[in-house]
This record gives sequence, C-alpha cells and structure tokens, in this order.
Amino acid sequence: QSALTQPASVSGSPGQSITISCTGTSSDVGSYNLVSWYQQHPGKAPKLMIYEGSKRPSGVSNRFSGSKSGNTASLTISGLQAEDEADYYCCSYAGSSWVFGGGTKLTVL
Amino acid sequence: EVQLVESGGGLVQPGGSLRLSCAASGFTFSSYSMNWVRQAPGKGLEWVSYISSSSSTIYYADSVKGRFTISRDNAKNSLYLQMNSLRAEDTAVYYCARDGIAVAGPLYAFDIWGQGTMVTVSS
Repeated sequence: QSALTQPASVSGSPGQSITISCTGTSSDVGSYNLVSWYQQHPGKAPKLMIYEGSKRPSGVSNRFSGSKSGNTASLTISGLQAEDEADYYCCSYAGSSWVFGGGTKLTVL
Repeated sequence: EVQLVESGGGLVQPGGSLRLSCAASGFTFSSYSMNWVRQAPGKGLEWVSYISSSSSTIYYADSVKGRFTISRDNAKNSLYLQMNSLRAEDTAVYYCARDGIAVAGPLYAFDIWGQGTMVTVSS
C-alpha cells in the first residue's frame, strides 16, 4: 500500500480558511467512505478530528470539516486559530489495512 | 478516564526482539478492536497491525508481516505487539490506538491513542 498524497505544508492567517487535500486511489479513498483525519502537535499523540469522511467526534470544533470526491478527500479548517498550528494526517481504510498520508504541516501566520 | 498506556520500548540490536504492551482503562476493552501505529523520528504515521475484539481477525502491514505478532488479553485489558527480527527501519514511537465504535458499528478510525513508547533498533 502506498501512502496517500498530502501537501507537505499549508499556511494561513488567523480567521482565514485553509483546505488540505488527500489523494489516494480506487483501492482506498475511492472505495470506502472511511477517511479519517488526525491532528498532531509536536511531541503529542495524534487526535481524531474527522471520521467517515465528514463526521466530527464529540468535542471537536465545528470549524473542522471533511469531504470527499472520487479518490481525493479534503479537510477544511475555517476561522484559523493559533492553536490549529500542527501536523495533519489523513488516513483511509483499504480493506484489511489502513494507509496514512505523509502529513501536512499547518502554519498559522 | 479513557486511557491507553504503552510500555516495553527500548534499545535493541538489529535482529533482536521486543514485546510491547498497552494497558487499557476507562472503557470496556473487550468490546473494541485495537491497532498499533508507529511513527519514525521526524516522519509520518504508519499503521502496523489490527486485532478485532475477540482476536478472530488480525491484519498486518506488509512491512512487518512475518516478523510482528499482535495479540490481546481481554481479561487483563491489555494489547501486545511481539516484534522479532527487528531492523533499523523499525525504529519509531509505537502507539496503541482504539478503533472507535458508533451506533452503526466500527468507525474504522482511531479515536483513542496512547502516549507512545519508543523503540530504537541500533547496534
């Protein structure tokens, strides 16, 4: 299984919106509505932000939203805040395995 | 409080073995599937292995198949990863992660993570 493709970095100013893309194949993202997104601050464990492509776990801000089109999933963060600065990873179930993206570093300017 | 606590990491020589443990608390461990996910220093996340709640279904990443063995003891609320024939490229922080459950069934997403345990393979 090859890693999903994410941009290495994105940036935005406080209050702005950013979108992180996650491109897979017809064997993973395209086949299952089971993309999840994780936020990881330096030295910390990852935190689930989105599951099943667009659902938010309890306690996750509604500033975080997810979508999918074909083989590409996206995470959008609106109203950027300083605490959103972190690494973000997408992940897709691929039938008897899971595959992560390479990660995207979000910088809040 | 829902919690996962990993242990067992350390320094091991290439070709050596190590057994990681993950102690679960604050939830009904026997109802949840579990996973191991690793992260090499400065690198991204890599899924390693999955075990269903009853241990009836087990999956491995190709990179560890034949060398690593996942297991669990529901009576002890514990998850394990036996790692044999270790290589330098296995050096990473190893996280145990819970596969969440919704009303409709498993989430196929990792909703609870431990703090990780570092494994270093070096001579």
